[in-house]
Amino acid sequence: KNEVEQSPQNLTAQEGEFITINCSYSVGISALHWLQQHPGGGIVSLFMLSSGKKKHGRLIATINIQEKHSSLHITASHPRDSAVYICAVMSSGGSNYKLTFGKGTLLTVNP
Amino acid sequence: DAMVIQNPRYQVTQFGKPVTLSCSQTLNHNVMYWYQQKSSQAPKLLFHYYDKDFNNEADTPDNFQSRRPNTSFCFLDIRSPGLGDAAMYLCATSRDRLSSYEQYFGPGTRLTVT
Repeated sequence: KNEVEQSPQNLTAQEGEFITINCSYSVGISALHWLQQHPGGGIVSLFMLSSGKKKHGRLIATINIQEKHSSLHITASHPRDSAVYICAVMSSGGSNYKLTFGKGTLLTVNP
Repeated sequence: DAMVIQNPRYQVTQFGKPVTLSCSQTLNHNVMYWYQQKSSQAPKLLFHYYDKDFNNEADTPDNFQSRRPNTSFCFLDIRSPGLGDAAMYLCATSRDRLSSYEQYFGPGTRLTVT
């Protein structure tokens, strides 16, 4: 079982829809990252959070440490949001400099 | 303004021909990471530098080496590329290794081995 599980693996939406991508993890963490990767492209860091909620434009990230769960929400989705969204955690013990990545969620937003 | 820069963005090399990928940063961060990402897979950490201290991951093949001549630059050397080394190579930096510091990623170099 992967330490970081994302759902869904693939998500198709119509422009304007509200999107939710989920991330569950099984280890103790000190921080969780949400990353965005466009096809064939590099990675952009969207959020790093260790508690509560963060908002940037149309993107909202929440984390529940007790439940070991995080969600990424996109409001008023747009075709340019189409990308792979990756959840990555930094564990709180041992090699705590390393990110453990989920497999990503491929989001396609159709016009 | 670009903060983590990788050159080239696309690199084609021949089987067995040494290749060097470059990463530079304008953030003055202490830590620089190299990740390998194969198609449809999560990035895999190869090694990182904490200042001048090189830290290799246990499962990184000997074929992969790295150099950090100064704070700003870090190089990934593949001594004898095989077909299985074709991947996206991502460089990332962070101010420190502590978990409270975010990692900043470069745009990546896509390596093709012919």
